[in-house]
Amino acid sequence: AQRVTQPEKLLSVFKGAPVELKCNYSYSGSPELFWYVQYSRQRLQLLLRHISRESIKGFTADLNKGETSFHLKKPFAQEEDSAMYYCALTPMDSNYQLIWGAGTKLIIKP
Amino acid sequence: GAVVSQHPSWVICKSGTSVKIECRSLDFQATTMFWYRQFPKQSLMLMATSNEGSKATYEQGVEKDKFLINHASLTLSTLTVTSAHPEDSSFYICSAKGQETQYFGPGTRLLVL
Repeated sequence: AQRVTQPEKLLSVFKGAPVELKCNYSYSGSPELFWYVQYSRQRLQLLLRHISRESIKGFTADLNKGETSFHLKKPFAQEEDSAMYYCALTPMDSNYQLIWGAGTKLIIKP
Repeated sequence: GAVVSQHPSWVICKSGTSVKIECRSLDFQATTMFWYRQFPKQSLMLMATSNEGSKATYEQGVEKDKFLINHASLTLSTLTVTSAHPEDSSFYICSAKGQETQYFGPGTRLLVL
């Protein structure tokens, strides 16, 4: 079955500390993976996608096919990073339909 | 670029009435749009996939006669909640398929009294 798991509902770290939001997936083929972010009172927006291999707002995520993971990392958290983060997977030939994780609420404490 | 709008942003209606929500891609054409429902503190639940010029594809458990979807143009999809009941109160989000991924509207808060 196709599934995206975000084991942490809530993650709270201090400003300046490293952040890692976990995402594991279950998919038999080669998935395309995304991280989306939803800041308070704002719409969902794409943060990054694994095939672009870029860093956005200091965040990076590496696809680990062996561990079927796509964890989101940032070395030094900032207060403005506080938001809901969703990991999502697009199956091949799915017309960009997304399978969503449950989301992790990230709180950065001053 | 890749902006998606939704209208209205919030609506309150009486039980038994119908409510129409519009989703527009403002600066790109979208042959495919998606409709989601989001419950408080939960992830998005895909309701249906809307394809321009054809019938929408509904997810299991979503009543197509209850949630009517029309995608008559490449920039507009509408979701009509027919004979709304209090249990239909929710946050409805649309997205449009762009070049790389889906682009999301700001959502519509529906409250059925």
